[in-house]
Amino acid sequence: GIQVEQSPPDLILQEGANSTLRCNFSDSVNNLQWFHQNPWGQLINLFYIPSGTKQNGRLSATTVATERYSLLYISSSQTTDSGVYFCAGGASYNTDKLIFGTGTRLQVFP
Amino acid sequence: DGGITQSPKYLFRKEGQNVTLSCEQNLNHDAMYWYRQDPGQGLRLIYYSQIVNDFQKGDIAEGYSVSREKKESFPLTVTSAQKNPTAFYLCASSMGETQYFGPGTRLLVL
Repeated sequence: GIQVEQSPPDLILQEGANSTLRCNFSDSVNNLQWFHQNPWGQLINLFYIPSGTKQNGRLSATTVATERYSLLYISSSQTTDSGVYFCAGGASYNTDKLIFGTGTRLQVFP
Repeated sequence: DGGITQSPKYLFRKEGQNVTLSCEQNLNHDAMYWYRQDPGQGLRLIYYSQIVNDFQKGDIAEGYSVSREKKESFPLTVTSAQKNPTAFYLCASSMGETQYFGPGTRLLVL
C-alpha cells in the first residue's frame, strides 16, 4: 500500500518564525489533504490540494503531484498554531480510503 | 449549527464487553468514516460508508462492527474480539473529497 512520510517529526518555533512541513508519498495519490489536530484532538481540514498551490491567510500549501510530495508553509507562527499537522491522500483506485502520515508535532512558544 | 457530533467524549470498557460509539452529522453528507488514532500515530481507517445501508471495511476492521441505517448516523461497535481497544476514535464525513471530523471519543479499558 501507499506509504506517507512526513518531516520533520517535531518542530519547535518561537512566535513569529516561519516553517515548512513536508509530506512524501510512495506512489501517486489523489485527494491530498492537510489537517491540523489541536491539543484537544479536534482535526480541522486546512487544504484539499491534489496539485498546485493554495493560500489561506498565513498558511499556504503546494503539491507537486508528478514528484509525489506536498509542502505546507506556516508564516509568522502563533501559539495557536501548535498541534500536530497531518497530510493524507488516497490511491487513485480508491479515493475514499485516506492514508495518513504520522504527523509533524509543532510547538510555538511566545 | 451544522457539524459532526460524537458521544460520549470518554468511554470505559470492561473486559469482554461490547461498547458502541455514536457519530451523528447534520451536514447532509453521503459518506461517513471511522478512524482509530493511537498515541503519537496517524489515523487508520476502520470502516467507511458511501451510502445508507452500505459500508466497507477499512484497513483495521477486525474486532469492530458498524451500521448505516440513516444518512445522519454511523455508530461504531467495539466488540470483545478487539483485544487492544484503548485509543482515540474519530468519525468523519464528506461530500466530495474533503473530509470533516468530529471531536472524537477516547476509549479506555478497565
